[in-house]
Amino acid sequence: GNSVTQMEGPVTLSEEAFLTINCTYTATGYPSLFWYVQYPGEGLQLLLKATKADDKGSNKGFEATYRKETTSFHLEKGSVQVSDSAVYFCALNARGGSNYKLTFGKGTLLTVNP
Amino acid sequence: DADVTQTPRNRITKTGKRIMLECSQTKGHDRMYWYRQDPGLGLRLIYYSFDVKDINKGEISDGYSVSRQAQAKFSLSLESAIPNQTALYFCATSDLGQNTDTQYFGPGTRLTVL
Repeated sequence: GNSVTQMEGPVTLSEEAFLTINCTYTATGYPSLFWYVQYPGEGLQLLLKATKADDKGSNKGFEATYRKETTSFHLEKGSVQVSDSAVYFCALNARGGSNYKLTFGKGTLLTVNP
Repeated sequence: DADVTQTPRNRITKTGKRIMLECSQTKGHDRMYWYRQDPGLGLRLIYYSFDVKDINKGEISDGYSVSRQAQAKFSLSLESAIPNQTALYFCATSDLGQNTDTQYFGPGTRLTVL
């Protein structure tokens, strides 16, 4: 079956530090890959996505590249801000008949201190 | 106004009570989903619906039922609530078109079963 493994948190950084949250996946075929962000007290918001190998998704200074050879989709940001404090979820959506289903990782809590 | 709304936002109830959580959307999407989020487990799919007449079980449907009253409304019921159904519940929607793999989430309902 499909699965997503992301690094366990919590991750605590100082403002302007470099962020990497690792995500690897197992899936049949060629899934679409996503990062969702959940700010305190809110629902999940789509942060970025990539639909095929070597695609780079980017948004709000965050980036992630779809690496088929390593089955990875690591999230990076060069300089984090306090406002980036949130829970980050890596997810995949399988293609074809089961493309309704998002499979999520367990989430990584990021805290950015001033 | 939010595109996906959920009511109530918070609910405390007792074991054995019947509870209904409601979801409404103004995005015009055909597909709707119910997830639950538990700490350290990510999100898990309870039920999903592709249209008013098409409702399907997700990975953890036991103890839950749903009703798709209209394209814009999808309700989740707990017929007889139990403490291990204490969780954060999210409704989500997706389109049928090119971006069908992207889901849009409501703000969540925090349910506590005593």
